[in-house]
Amino acid sequence: QVTLKESGPALVKPTQTLTLTCSFSGFSLRTLGMRVSWIRQPPGKALEWLARIDWDGNKLYTTSLKTRLTISKDTSENQVVLTMTNMDPVDTATYYCARDVVVVPAAQIFDYWGQGTLVAVSS
Amino acid sequence: DIQMTQSPYSLSASVGDRVTITCRASRSISRYLNWYQQKPGKAPKLLIYAASRLQSGVPSRFTGSGSGTEFTLTISTLQPEDFATYYCQQSYSNPQVTFGPGTKVDIK
Repeated sequence: QVTLKESGPALVKPTQTLTLTCSFSGFSLRTLGMRVSWIRQPPGKALEWLARIDWDGNKLYTTSLKTRLTISKDTSENQVVLTMTNMDPVDTATYYCARDVVVVPAAQIFDYWGQGTLVAVSS
Repeated sequence: DIQMTQSPYSLSASVGDRVTITCRASRSISRYLNWYQQKPGKAPKLLIYAASRLQSGVPSRFTGSGSGTEFTLTISTLQPEDFATYYCQQSYSNPQVTFGPGTKVDIK
C-alpha cells in the first residue's frame, strides 16, 4: 500500500525559509524509475508543479521558482525534503507531495498523493 | 510553458446527467494528457492518463478522448460522488508539467 504524508510548519513569516518533509511508504526511491514530486495549490486556485527528485538523484525544478527551491532525499528514511527560500504571502498554499511515475505508453502521472499541508505566509 | 485551459469554468448538473469537460493545450501535446478529480479538502485523484486510459479502480462511467490540442472528459451518468473539481494536466513537456485551471461540477 502506497502512502505519502507531508509535514512542516503551518505558518511562516515573509522572507523565511520553508522546509517541508514528505514521508512515504509502499515504494522505494532506490527503485529504477521511481520519482517524487512536490505540487502546490493556493486557496481556490489551480495546481502548480514545483520540483521532482528521481531514483538516481536527478533533481528538476519549475523554471519560475528554480532559484528558491531545493529538493533532496533521504533514501534510507523514505523521505523527500523541499526547501523554499524567501517566502512571500503569495506562496500561501497547500503543498502536496506525490509519487511521479511513467507508465505505458510513456505517460507521466501522479498516481499517489499525500493529504497536503497548508502553509500560510504572514507576519 | 504549455498553457492549459478548461471549459466550462463550472457547471451545474443533476444525478444521472451526462457531463463533458473540455481541456485545450496552447500547442500540440499528442496524447500526453491526464485528468484528476479533486474533492474539497482532499488531494487530487488520477482518473484518466494518456488521454483515454482509465486508471485502475476508476469507474467506467469516466472516459477521456482527444489528441493534439483538444481533449474531453466525459462522465456518462453523473453520480452523487462525482461532484468535484476536475483538472487536466499535460505531461508532454515533462518535467515542466502544467495543469488546467479546473472545472467545478456542482449539484443543480
